[in-house]
Amino acid sequence: NFKLTQPRSVSESPGKTVTISCTRSTGSIASNFVQWYQQRPGSAPTTVIYDDDQRPFGVPDRFSGSIDSSSNSASLTISGLKTDDEADYYCQSYGANVVFGGGTKLTVL
Amino acid sequence: EVQLLESGGGLVQPGGSLRLSCAASGFSFTNYAMSWVRQAPGKGLEWVSHISAGGDVTNYANSVKGRFSISRDSSKNTVYLQMKSLKAEDTAVYYCAKVPKSIAVGDSLSPEYFQNWGQGTLVTVSS
Repeated sequence: NFKLTQPRSVSESPGKTVTISCTRSTGSIASNFVQWYQQRPGSAPTTVIYDDDQRPFGVPDRFSGSIDSSSNSASLTISGLKTDDEADYYCQSYGANVVFGGGTKLTVL
Repeated sequence: EVQLLESGGGLVQPGGSLRLSCAASGFSFTNYAMSWVRQAPGKGLEWVSHISAGGDVTNYANSVKGRFSISRDSSKNTVYLQMKSLKAEDTAVYYCAKVPKSIAVGDSLSPEYFQNWGQGTLVTVSS
């Protein structure tokens, strides 16, 4: 099965924009949809993006998702950063099995 | 509002058994597949098991195959995870999740993604 690789950590200031990448090791990133989950400290994950670029009801439009076939990666972009966005973010896709990325710790400072 | 409430976690010795429950409400339970996902302390997310909406198709991660069994009871809107022959590496918070879409994988089904998550229940395997 393929792997999804994320940076271990990113940091940015409030009000700025940050992008978290998720690179697929083998096979096309466009082959299967990519999802993104937010996990605040001590809490369960919540879904912020599904089907590459769809936002669930209630997720603000500051969160957006995309895929780039040239780099074989997906990206989660958060604009207008708030301190409340500080969390771990996981990408996920599927093939023969469910695959999660290792997670990225976002620090908003 | 979708609610998923896990229970049944606790401390168990290696080789022991435990049954987790996930009580669902706020949606039509019989229309959705369900999965269990776990997270070891300080680690990332790992999919564990999946059951179809009708309960007739199940799937397991290789790490738990033959030791864990997933089931569901539509009369109680509850999904279960029976865990046997537990190992230290099974120590984790176990989340149940509502699955809106599944894909066929061989003669089984696998979740495409996890729409809603419960708050989790901690399983600790230690002597």
